[in-house]
Amino acid sequence: DQQVKQNSPSLSVQEGRISILNCDYTNSMFDYFLWYKKYPAEGPTFLISISSIKDKNEDGRFTVFLNKSAKHLSLHIVPSQPGDSAVYFCAARGAPNYGGSQGNLIFGKGTKLSVKP
Amino acid sequence: IAGITQAPTSQILAAGRRMTLRCTQDMRHNAMYWYRQDLGLGLRLIHYSNTAGTTGKGEVPDGYSVSRANTDDFPLTLASAVPSQTSVYFCASSQTETGELFFGEGSRLTVL
Repeated sequence: DQQVKQNSPSLSVQEGRISILNCDYTNSMFDYFLWYKKYPAEGPTFLISISSIKDKNEDGRFTVFLNKSAKHLSLHIVPSQPGDSAVYFCAARGAPNYGGSQGNLIFGKGTKLSVKP
Repeated sequence: IAGITQAPTSQILAAGRRMTLRCTQDMRHNAMYWYRQDLGLGLRLIHYSNTAGTTGKGEVPDGYSVSRANTDDFPLTLASAVPSQTSVYFCASSQTETGELFFGEGSRLTVL
């Protein structure tokens, strides 16, 4: 069963508006969450992260919100730009007994964001 | 430029053949990983290595093997390729303390 879920395969937003990408997780032992951005034919690149002891982290146009009680996090992009068009992956750091590596990340399936000019 | 280098970028091979995907990093990261990306399935961990000399199995290890003889190199071997191993493979590295992964550009493999 999927431990990290991105239920929206795609999202289309008008330039200048807000993009909200959602992610749900099932394992309450996850302690660190990350968002990665991926352009076609390139590797994923780190975008922003949040520790489970926080509920918000902001970096320029990007803000990640964490709701631990709901096991939900979201990535807000404001204002959205055409260059933000990419696939966004939500990831969670595995529970201590998952694979034995603290760095192991469990990824969602990704959401393809399209920002229209 | 520091980072992760993967080779080959793209490869087509016949089923049953042996194939090794190469991965080299110059960031002196302790941990390295191999993921595969498939449409609709996201990124799935194949194998990982916390440090040179050690390896571990990820979510989808069957049909793959890895070795970690030194800090910089982490090759992934398909002993006898099958069509279901057609995928894009990403190598990554991290300092285990942060969990942030740095990815290579990927290797697109097609098994016919």
